[in-house]
Amino acid sequence: DQQVKQNSPSLSVQEGRISILNCDYTNSMFDYFLWYKKYPAEGPTFLISISSIKDKNEDGRFTVFLNKSAKHLSLHIVPSQPGDSAVYFCAASALGGAQKLVFGQGTRLTINP
Amino acid sequence: DSGVTQTPKHLITATGQRVTLRCSPRSGDLSVYWYQQSLDQGLQFLIQYYNGEERAKGNILERFSAQQFPDLHSELNLSSLELGDSALYFCASSVGWQSNSEAFFGQGTRLTVV
Repeated sequence: DQQVKQNSPSLSVQEGRISILNCDYTNSMFDYFLWYKKYPAEGPTFLISISSIKDKNEDGRFTVFLNKSAKHLSLHIVPSQPGDSAVYFCAASALGGAQKLVFGQGTRLTINP
Repeated sequence: DSGVTQTPKHLITATGQRVTLRCSPRSGDLSVYWYQQSLDQGLQFLIQYYNGEERAKGNILERFSAQQFPDLHSELNLSSLELGDSALYFCASSVGWQSNSEAFFGQGTRLTVV
């Protein structure tokens, strides 16, 4: 039973354009969401997070949008750069509880020059 | 470099054996987590320790156990190994124990069971 789903295993975007990565969740108890980025042979690196009291959070080129009614979140990267090529994981947990992050399967983003 | 150190980086062992994976958290972090990433799966939460005590448990097999020592390093023990235990095992650490405490991941230990 996959509670967090990233339906696109891969995404290819041209440098300078917008990258949009999507994530859906099923557990209505989740109220804290995170995006991690992972390069080969490295551990995941925290990118950005959002709690359910917000519908948008920005950090530089990265913006996360949360649609609670649709149980959907997305990560926008603008403009996309070659160094953004990596696997991106969406994760969710229940705020206030212990950190039991539930991860999606990941989306491999490739930025083409 | 996240500041989280995992050893060894690679481990090859035979079925039925027992191995110990080690994790040193970032300086000042009290919480340690273990995650498993199999070939066709996302990261699966195994267990969390905070300041030496078990805080949360995920789908950790009974053949697996972990502990956090007084110096805050942690070990994950995997016994009676099966082929399906081959995976990347990540350790992460954070200052607090709650979900909004940013977790920093180590580079992982790649376990191959043959």
